[in-house]
Amino acid sequence: GENVEQHPSTLSVQEGDSAVIKCTYSDSASNYFPWYKQELGKGPQLIIDIRSNVGEKKDQRIAVTLNKTAKHFSLHITETQPEDSAVYFCAASRTGSNYQLIWGAGTKLIIKP
Amino acid sequence: DAMVIQNPRYQVTQFGKPVTLSCSQTLNHNVMYWYQQKSSQAPKLLFHYYDKDFNNEADTPDNFQSRRPNTSFCFLDIRSPGLGDAAMYLCAASRGADEKLFFGSGTQLSVL
Repeated sequence: GENVEQHPSTLSVQEGDSAVIKCTYSDSASNYFPWYKQELGKGPQLIIDIRSNVGEKKDQRIAVTLNKTAKHFSLHITETQPEDSAVYFCAASRTGSNYQLIWGAGTKLIIKP
Repeated sequence: DAMVIQNPRYQVTQFGKPVTLSCSQTLNHNVMYWYQQKSSQAPKLLFHYYDKDFNNEADTPDNFQSRRPNTSFCFLDIRSPGLGDAAMYLCAASRGADEKLFFGSGTQLSVL
């Protein structure tokens, strides 16, 4: 079936360094790719999203890249700060169901002071 | 400023005792969703409403029901909670398909 693989499951980086989280999707018809950040005890919050007609999108310290040929998309966070510590989920739209996303398993990002 | 509000924040129920979780939104969005999230896992979609049109996911147990009496409110009813239903329940709203999901803070359900 359709799935999204997300790596790594845990990522520990020094404050100020960059963090990269990678996802691979299986449904070649997926056309919407959001990234959600979930802090402990809170609901997920959208931090950035990209659609299949765009290869890259940036919002301040956060960027997402999409390679449709390879079915990869990645989240890049530069100049990491303690408040970036959270679980990050990637997701891809599911063909035939506009309201359901296929979620990655999540990456726990730890920013070391 | 709260956009999707869930009550209560924590809910404890007994095995087999019906429980209702509540959600409201101030966004006036067409679509509302209920997700179940177990520890360290991604959210799992249970069902969604587009306006009053109810859509159940194929693998959502019959034990779970939902009501959306108006645009702003949505309820999750668990008819006979089992120990396996202990989880965080997240409500979300969006303008439409493949659009930003606005999540509430969730209700953490414990089943004793």
